[in-house]
Amino acid sequence: GQQVMQIPQYQHVQEGEDFTTYCNSSTTLSNIQWYKQRPGGHPVFLIQLVKSGEVKKQKRLTFQFGEAKKNSSLHITATQTTDVGTYFCAGPVDTSRRALTFGSGTRLQVQP
Amino acid sequence: GAGVSQSPSNKVTEKGKDVELRCDPISGHTALYWYRQSLGQGLEFLIYFQGNSAPDKSGLPSDRFSAERTGGSVSTLTIQRTQQEDSAVYLCASTTSRDRMAEAFFGQGTRLTVV
Repeated sequence: GQQVMQIPQYQHVQEGEDFTTYCNSSTTLSNIQWYKQRPGGHPVFLIQLVKSGEVKKQKRLTFQFGEAKKNSSLHITATQTTDVGTYFCAGPVDTSRRALTFGSGTRLQVQP
Repeated sequence: GAGVSQSPSNKVTEKGKDVELRCDPISGHTALYWYRQSLGQGLEFLIYFQGNSAPDKSGLPSDRFSAERTGGSVSTLTIQRTQQEDSAVYLCASTTSRDRMAEAFFGQGTRLTVV
């Protein structure tokens, strides 16, 4: 079925190392959103990308939307313990369904 | 209210009982989602309401699950004859968007445990 895949499922890094999570859709997306869920919390919106090849930055976080609008990435430079959580991408994958489809998520653990 | 409110925050129920979960979206938000999240897993879409349009129920896992949204605001998700596999966190989200282009605001969720 139409879906959004994320890799890796889990990553453990030392504080100060970089981290990247990748999101791949089986269909072309009109837009993609990224969310962060802290342990025990609920997903919180980070950013939305709309244009092909778009790159947006939020401090140490860099978000990219692929040229074909079927993949996206989130890169964190010099991770901190506050970056711990699960990062989800989400998009309108299924045009017959009006809801956002969330990726499986990447859980980031940062070792101090 | 200031954000999406869900109640109860925790619910423990016996297998076979019915449960009702409530979601109060952000005032003025026309779209409302229900998702289910099992421990350590992703978000599983359940149902989507948009204004007065017919809801998208394509994610409901069985006919034991139903949801309604009264007056375009408060929504209730009902699970009949609960089973242990229904144990999960049920998350509600609302958004202003008609076309899935806007940020979704999530509630804190209801943690359902079926014993």
